[in-house]
Amino acid sequence: AQSVTQLDSQVPVFEEAPVELRCNYSSSVSVYLFWYVQYPNQGLQLLLKYLSGSTLVESINGFEAEFNKSQTSFHLRKPSVHISDTAEYFCAVSEAGYSSASKIIFGSGTRLSIRP
Amino acid sequence: GAVVSQHPSWVICKSGTSVKIECRSLDFQATTMFWYRQFPKQSLMLMATSNEGSKATYEQGVEKDKFLINHASLTLSTLTVTSAHPEDSSFYICSARGDQGSYEQYFGPGTRLTVT
Repeated sequence: AQSVTQLDSQVPVFEEAPVELRCNYSSSVSVYLFWYVQYPNQGLQLLLKYLSGSTLVESINGFEAEFNKSQTSFHLRKPSVHISDTAEYFCAVSEAGYSSASKIIFGSGTRLSIRP
Repeated sequence: GAVVSQHPSWVICKSGTSVKIECRSLDFQATTMFWYRQFPKQSLMLMATSNEGSKATYEQGVEKDKFLINHASLTLSTLTVTSAHPEDSSFYICSARGDQGSYEQYFGPGTRLTVT
């Protein structure tokens, strides 16, 4: 079974400052890793994912995350945040590969609040 | 992109009544659908996994007789909360996965259930 830990429940940062949202996972098998974003009063959206290959993955809106197998981490970073990045961010994990039983396990979420 | 809808988006019902929530994949066939529950300011907790044409698989601690899941077609799954009580008030989110071999889940916008 897999599990995900997001150590920070809330992260307040000033606009244009850098940010890192931490995520650690636990699994006895190979995993896929995801970051989802939930904007206020909206559904979940996939922000970025790691499946295989390059350990650094990027989103279209400037976020990036790096898969670190030795530290079992998948931290999310952005060099300069905007007010529009205010949202809840969920790290998630699933067993690599596909089976009808594959499911995504979510972390507890990190609320990113941007101050002007 | 793949779109998943939920209906209704918000429902209020009286204690003891039943309420049905629909989850539809609009532009793809969903071989597997997932139902999650999200409490305020908390993460998504997987309730059950359903494959089209077969019985749903419920997570430990989820009452299958209370949360009835039907996945009768490749584009529709329903969650019926039977004999609802105030503690069932929550945000219910579905997701859908398409073709065999696909890891990705597409999330609906959620349904807020309030039981009075």
